[in-house]
Amino acid sequence: EVHLEQSGAEVKKSGESLTISCQATGSNFRTSWIGWVRQMPGKGLEWMGSIFPFDSDTRYNPSFRGRVTVSADLSTNTTSLRWSSLRASDTAIYYCVRRRGYPSYFFDHWGQGTQVTVSS
Amino acid sequence: DIQTTQSPSSLSAAVGDRVTITCRASQDIAKSVHWYQQKPGKAPKLLIYATSNLQTGVPPRFSGDGSETDFTLTISSLQPEDIATYYCQEYDNINLFSFGPGTKVDIK
Repeated sequence: EVHLEQSGAEVKKSGESLTISCQATGSNFRTSWIGWVRQMPGKGLEWMGSIFPFDSDTRYNPSFRGRVTVSADLSTNTTSLRWSSLRASDTAIYYCVRRRGYPSYFFDHWGQGTQVTVSS
Repeated sequence: DIQTTQSPSSLSAAVGDRVTITCRASQDIAKSVHWYQQKPGKAPKLLIYATSNLQTGVPPRFSGDGSETDFTLTISSLQPEDIATYYCQEYDNINLFSFGPGTKVDIK
């Protein structure tokens, strides 16, 4: 059974950097696309980006490109989402997701979510 | 830009009612959509993939249908545990993933 375990809630200030993580168990991490989805307070779901850990091929939603970095560590089966300079508008819950399907892809497993709160 | 829409944005129905949510994909290259259920305070979970395939463990009162740009999610007999927000999602190989804005379902 696939399980995505995310790091805990974070409280940061504007301008600070942050990395949150997602560890995958029970799946072939190397050959599974792992992504991140944002949910701002009271709002819907937005796909941010995904990575293929085997070769670090990465795709981004144009709305998030340059704002965040998605990376993977094969030694720990962990995917990370990093901000170099947070903004108050980054306050949200972030979910890691595993991609499946072909040719139309979907997310069959979700992490429990990481709450990020950024104060100005 | 890819734009996925849903209607209604919210609905209230009685236990046992048949409920239908509509999703319009931005272009017919979508070919299929996928549906997620998010209960309050919880992570979303996959409900239906590739338009009409129930994810393992999903009750058969849920069904999906549609083609080209118009798709539906139907709950044949609404139950109290179905209170949630439902999202459709499409994929294209240029803009990648797009979610609809969600439909909030309540019990009347």
